[in-house]
Amino acid sequence: AQSVAQPEDQVNVAEGNPLTVKCTYSVSGNPYLFWYVQYPNRGLQFLLKYITGDNLVKGSYGFEAEFNKSQTSFHLKKPSALVSDSALYFCAVRDRVTGGGNKLTFGTGTQLKVEL
Amino acid sequence: ETGVTQTPRHLVMGMTNKKSLKCEQHLGHNAMYWYKQSAKKPLELMFVYNFKEQTENNSVPSRFSPECPNSSHLFLHLHTLQPEDSALYLCASSQTASMNTEAFFGQGTRLTVV
Repeated sequence: AQSVAQPEDQVNVAEGNPLTVKCTYSVSGNPYLFWYVQYPNRGLQFLLKYITGDNLVKGSYGFEAEFNKSQTSFHLKKPSALVSDSALYFCAVRDRVTGGGNKLTFGTGTQLKVEL
Repeated sequence: ETGVTQTPRHLVMGMTNKKSLKCEQHLGHNAMYWYKQSAKKPLELMFVYNFKEQTENNSVPSRFSPECPNSSHLFLHLHTLQPEDSALYLCASSQTASMNTEAFFGQGTRLTVV
């Protein structure tokens, strides 16, 4: 079975500082990994994904994530946080093994709060 | 806007009512999904439709009944719901249901069962 863990319910960062939102995953095969962001009263918006190739993936709004196979992690990062980045962030995984099927498994979400 | 529209945005219904949630996408996608989002819990995949065919039912109670008349529209028919069914119901679509495609989500319907 595939699973995702986001160990932090909330991350607080000062504007201008770098931010990291952590994600670890468990799959039986190789993963497809995704990050989504949810602003209040909105649906989820796609940020970036890792499919294959370069372990460092760049996405929307200056976000990037690094795939680390040995640590089974896919942490979301941004060099300089903005107050407008404050939102709920979800990591998600699909197992490339057929048994993963159509199921995209999400983490419980991490609330990012960026303060002045 | 993501191109996926859900109506209504908010719905309050009694346990004996029958109501339907609607989702529409104008992205030319062939796969559509229903998710349930409850506080402090991971998003739960409920149903998947790929080219109008249901390909996944994630052990969802029969009081939730999906309908996909065409690739652009998806409905979730609700009847005799329970208070614990109160949640944000999210519709999503993707190019296909293949594993490397990202999904685009609607804004959700906030459902309250009283």
